[in-house]
Amino acid sequence: QVQLQESGPGLVKPSETLPLMCTVSGDSIRVYYWGWIRQSPGKGLEWIGNIYHNGNIKYSPSLQSRVTILVDPSKNQFSLRLTSVTAADTAVYYCARCHYFGQRLEPDYFDYWGQGIMVTVSS
Amino acid sequence: QSALTQPRSVSGSPGQSVTISCTGTSGDVGAYNSVSWYQQYPGKAPKLIIYDVALRTSGVPDRFSGSKSDNTASLTISGLQSEDEADYYCCSYAGSYIVVFGGGTKVTVL
Repeated sequence: QVQLQESGPGLVKPSETLPLMCTVSGDSIRVYYWGWIRQSPGKGLEWIGNIYHNGNIKYSPSLQSRVTILVDPSKNQFSLRLTSVTAADTAVYYCARCHYFGQRLEPDYFDYWGQGIMVTVSS
Repeated sequence: QSALTQPRSVSGSPGQSVTISCTGTSGDVGAYNSVSWYQQYPGKAPKLIIYDVALRTSGVPDRFSGSKSDNTASLTISGLQSEDEADYYCCSYAGSYIVVFGGGTKVTVL
């Protein structure tokens, strides 16, 4: 059974960097894309970015100037770093497995999700 | 890329059918069959229920069905049950390896 588990600080100060980790078990991170999605309180889902095990990355255009996603196949983990956070970045952050389609390996759907981690940006 | 457009809420009585629309553009929903739907209960992670427009995930009741016409995808819940009361999100590939979600629809069972 594939499982994903987010970890990281629950509280980050404004202007600082938010670091999150996603640990994958039950599957190799060397297959599929792996993504980050967030959900602000009472709001909808917002895609942050996807990474493939070979390092191919795509970020949401609205966040790409502040986001870095890395993958560590040796530890079966991938990470998220969001810089210069503000209160607007307060959200539940989810990591998820993303299927792809076609020879160009384009992202398709997210089938396994972590339970999510609530991150509050506040001084 | 803008978020896909969903109605904020839909409601129906037990046994009725409800349909949730998800409107995008010719660059996302209209261009690809990579449309998926997620069910989310309060305080829980989203759960994939439909992928590739109309394929149900294993274990999802067949009262859930998906379709697409031009730039609009739809999720229909037939024979509405109390446990179907949840938030539903659509998602589409938007080209250039970008993914976009809808704003979400709250389904209320009257």
